[in-house]
Amino acid sequence: LAKTTQPISMDSYEGQEVNITCSHNNIATNDYITWYQQFPSQGPRFIIQGYKTKVTNEVASLFIPADRKSSTLSLPRVSLSDTAVYYCLVGDHQAGTALIFGKGTTLSVSS
Amino acid sequence: DVKVTQSSRYLVKRTGEKVFLECVQDMDHENMFWYRQDPGLGLRLIYFSYDVKMKEKGDIPEGYSVSREKKERFSLILESASTNQTSMYLCASSLATSGGTYEQYFGPGTRLTVT
Repeated sequence: LAKTTQPISMDSYEGQEVNITCSHNNIATNDYITWYQQFPSQGPRFIIQGYKTKVTNEVASLFIPADRKSSTLSLPRVSLSDTAVYYCLVGDHQAGTALIFGKGTTLSVSS
Repeated sequence: DVKVTQSSRYLVKRTGEKVFLECVQDMDHENMFWYRQDPGLGLRLIYFSYDVKMKEKGDIPEGYSVSREKKERFSLILESASTNQTSMYLCASSLATSGGTYEQYFGPGTRLTVT
């Protein structure tokens, strides 16, 4: 399973765009990249998943360069309610293996 | 909507007690997972199951066992609770993979305190 590295914490202000980068140098051919969000006292919640290039949904965008050794979660115009821990996961979903959660990035949004 | 429920939000047990944490999902998911979450350590996988009566060890299975007699229910068992098992326990479920989106749905968690 590919190991991921992401910043421990980030700070931002309301209305700004936040980009969280995750490094996964040993990503395998069948691995997908998935991001989860977790609020205090709640279980993590799926945000977005991608394999290559760019994926966008109503919540975020995920940018994956051609070599797939890193990925960037982009949150447009964050608000106070985006304060949470964000986890980057890499896994071979085809094989049905369990995903591994790292320590995540704690994002703090201030007014 | 997928719903994953856990039997208790808060639980206090004494050292040496046998503890059962129950998890039920209502979406006919094949895969189910048990994690524990501790400050500064993130989520760590204890056990997972990809079918009834099947189980696989995760990163930290020591001191735990699991049971999956029915597809919708996955139980985590602490045979003899110890204080270092004080933690937040999270259950999750997902479909078997077929490429594309692979999303784990989490329950609200059980905060277990062992005294």
